[in-house]
Amino acid sequence: DAKTTQPNSMESNEEEPVHLPCNHSTISGTDYIHWYRQLPSQGPEYVIHGLTSNVNNRMASLAIAEDRKSSTLILHRATLRDAAVYYCIPDYGGATNKLIFGTGTLLAVQP
Amino acid sequence: GAGVSQSPRYKVAKRGQDVALRCDPISGHVSLFWYQQALGQGPEFLTYFQNEAQLDKSGLPSDRFFAERPEGSVSTLKIQRTQQEDSAVYLCASSPDPLLSYEQYFGPGTRLTVT
Repeated sequence: DAKTTQPNSMESNEEEPVHLPCNHSTISGTDYIHWYRQLPSQGPEYVIHGLTSNVNNRMASLAIAEDRKSSTLILHRATLRDAAVYYCIPDYGGATNKLIFGTGTLLAVQP
Repeated sequence: GAGVSQSPRYKVAKRGQDVALRCDPISGHVSLFWYQQALGQGPEFLTYFQNEAQLDKSGLPSDRFFAERPEGSVSTLKIQRTQQEDSAVYLCASSPDPLLSYEQYFGPGTRLTVT
């Protein structure tokens, strides 16, 4: 069965980089890797996605291992607003593109 | 622009009552998803619409749950004879293109409490 593993929680200090790891050892060659985050009392929001190459956008960077069995979401300078649950979601959703969330990583950011 | 909106934001129902939860997706978005999020858990998929067609309802937990999107825009999730285990946040998400549905836009959710 498809399985994704993320640490339950992590802590960071404000304005420091944060590396959020994810293991997805059963991912197939054509499955994208998506990251979403959920701030308190809000719906999830898209962060970034990638297939093989590392990806950057205004929110974060995504580093994908060469064997694609793991990936790391990188927040270059954490702010208090980045405190959220971060979900790593390999595209196991099939034809409908439904998202299969796990329990994610709760990121706490200290001032 | 306007994002996904959901109403009501909070709903308290007595066990056995029927409830209807509304989702207004972003205008023009083809895909619409419903998810259920229990306390302390990640969201779980319930059902998917492409325009007015319900293409996947594999996540609906029982025949008490019913969803519709008759004109391909607004969607309603109905729960009949609510039970305590139905207490959760119900999230709606929309996406512009089913071939490019990498980014789903979520509403704030409806928190349902069944007493």
